[in-house]
Amino acid sequence: DQQVKQNSPSLSVQEGRISILNCDYTNSMFDYFLWYKKYPAEGPTFLISISSIKDKNEDGRFTVFLNKSAKHLSLHIVPSQPGDSAVYFCAAKPLYNNNDMRFGAGTRLTVKP
Amino acid sequence: DAGITQSPRHKVTETGTPVTLRCHQTENHRYMYWYRQDPGHGLRLIHYSYGVKDTDKGEVSDGYSVSRSKTEDFLLTLESATSSQTSVYFCASGLAGRGTDTQYFGPGTRLTVL
Repeated sequence: DQQVKQNSPSLSVQEGRISILNCDYTNSMFDYFLWYKKYPAEGPTFLISISSIKDKNEDGRFTVFLNKSAKHLSLHIVPSQPGDSAVYFCAAKPLYNNNDMRFGAGTRLTVKP
Repeated sequence: DAGITQSPRHKVTETGTPVTLRCHQTENHRYMYWYRQDPGHGLRLIHYSYGVKDTDKGEVSDGYSVSRSKTEDFLLTLESATSSQTSVYFCASGLAGRGTDTQYFGPGTRLTVL
């Protein structure tokens, strides 16, 4: 069963606009959430994370929002840049155990100049 | 970024042959992981290691074995490769196995089993 879902396989936005990537999870034991970014022929790289005790975490152009009651998180990129074009993976895990980290299927973001 | 390398980067093999993928990290991380990435599934954990000679199964461990004889090296073996094991394999490492520890990923190995 897929405990972390990214229902949009792809997203295309114009440079300078906002990109919103969404993620849903089902396991109530998850209390730490991460976004990874992946370029072709490279491994995923950590982008931003959020603990379940928060509902927002911001790092420069990247903000992650968490809605625990809806088991939903989103990644906002403002403003979007062509270099942001990549596959974004949402991941979730219990804080006590990295070995139960589950990933979504990924969303391919294309930022058009 | 942590220094993690994987070898080979690409491999084509035939059904029934043994295959070993190598992961090497230079960060002295205690924890190491093997994932596979398939379309529609994201990354799924195969096996992980929490120290030298200490390993355990992940979500999709059937058909795979691992070994870790040194802190820096983590090997993934397919004893008898099958076409369902065609995938991209990623190794990762991390300092701690819990909390807010981040996993650092290698560049991946694309394996094709014919």
